[in-house]
Amino acid sequence: GAGVSQSPSNKVTEKGKDVELRCDPISGHTALYWYRQSLGQGLEFLIYFQGNSAPDKSGLPSDRFSAERTGGSVSTLTIQRTQQEDSAVYLCASSFSPGQGAYEQYFGPGTRLTVT
Amino acid sequence: AQSVTQLDSQVPVFEEAPVELRCNYSSSVSVYLFWYVQYPNQGLQLLLKYLSGSTLVKGINGFEAEFNKSQTSFHLRKPSVHISDTAEYFCAVRVGSGNTGKLIFGQGTTLQVKP
Repeated sequence: GAGVSQSPSNKVTEKGKDVELRCDPISGHTALYWYRQSLGQGLEFLIYFQGNSAPDKSGLPSDRFSAERTGGSVSTLTIQRTQQEDSAVYLCASSFSPGQGAYEQYFGPGTRLTVT
Repeated sequence: AQSVTQLDSQVPVFEEAPVELRCNYSSSVSVYLFWYVQYPNQGLQLLLKYLSGSTLVKGINGFEAEFNKSQTSFHLRKPSVHISDTAEYFCAVRVGSGNTGKLIFGQGTTLQVKP
């Protein structure tokens, strides 16, 4: 079946602009995660959605970052007033409910964000 | 706080030689351990996972890993590597069995297989 898809694959934006990154999880997966992969920081957890529960936002680096998940499926990560340090690859992953013993996360190909 | 340390940032090895990629974690509670591989310009793919039971875990592409609780290690091994194994490898830990499934990753190890 189809895997996790992300769009766009590449995004170049000017400093100060807002950007939206999209993630389509695997059908039936109730859990969705965003991670950021950058040269200096490695792979960092950003935010986690599980069903209708309040999201775990503990990894968001600043209030310029926000995310939503509509209808329990597609998610959008928004970065406002982008800064050069936001340049990174943003990875989305999905899984069945981790509370029910599902441990494997399936990753999308990522969105490479470059802030000039 | 939980952390994962991958002891080698780069590991060069010749084709058909054995390889070990080292991973140590810090956690005082039960953990679930994973190795992911990332080929150039691709997302992460799960190689193998340790949840419980046998400490020797076999994964895809001939890789295996051994969980050592006393040494808090989860090293990845392959007895004979191929050029196609050239990639970046990430060790990750999920802490506890609660509802949050977030992973904490190591910094990654680049495996460079030379002909």
